[in-house]
Amino acid sequence: GAVVSQHPSRVICKSGTSVKIECRSLDFQATTMFWYRQFPKQSLMLMATSNEGSKATYEQGVEKDKFLINHASLTLSTLTVTSAHPEDSSFYICSARWGWTEAFFGQGTRLTVV
Amino acid sequence: QQQVKQSPQSLIVQKGGISIINCAYENTAFDYFPWYQQFPGKGPALLIAIRPDVSEKKEGRFTISFNKSAKQFSLHIMDSQPGDSATYFCAASIEGTSGSRLTFGEGTQLTVNP
Repeated sequence: GAVVSQHPSRVICKSGTSVKIECRSLDFQATTMFWYRQFPKQSLMLMATSNEGSKATYEQGVEKDKFLINHASLTLSTLTVTSAHPEDSSFYICSARWGWTEAFFGQGTRLTVV
Repeated sequence: QQQVKQSPQSLIVQKGGISIINCAYENTAFDYFPWYQQFPGKGPALLIAIRPDVSEKKEGRFTISFNKSAKQFSLHIMDSQPGDSATYFCAASIEGTSGSRLTFGEGTQLTVNP
């Protein structure tokens, strides 16, 4: 299958700082990228959907000013967690697809806010 | 209407046994039903998927059974192995639309004892 790479795989940041997570489609052009959040032993919760060159669509209850998503190219989307707090600690996962094809998932990023 | 209900929450199977995980959905517009396997600290990976025009799909030891009238689908893992120990998620989506995205079940933690 196609490869989606997330970076970093783990990050620890201090409370009040911002952290950026990158999601890259390595061997295909991703017209749509999705960002999920997953708490321990829970399912994936969709945070937002982004299409290349347009603003992200956020799910209800997700603060768009806190979770900034940029999908500037067909191979890169970024999620920036601004003014992070301990409750933002979670596993963040991106997925990407081209057109209506199957979505491929990144390996996830473990964010710990101390 | 958008929910996908998954059971059981956890499952313990002996090596060589059959693992069965069930999912039920409400939205009859769903037309794509994938199963994902997720290992700890990793992103989900597509295992097998089915569309509602067939009642069963088999790939190696993994089989999806689909019951359109009952709005249910299940994953069967034959000859379960310790390496199959992971969390499994069913999902559903409406393909071919601009807002297409996956709705995930709650997940099943499978443990295969040697």
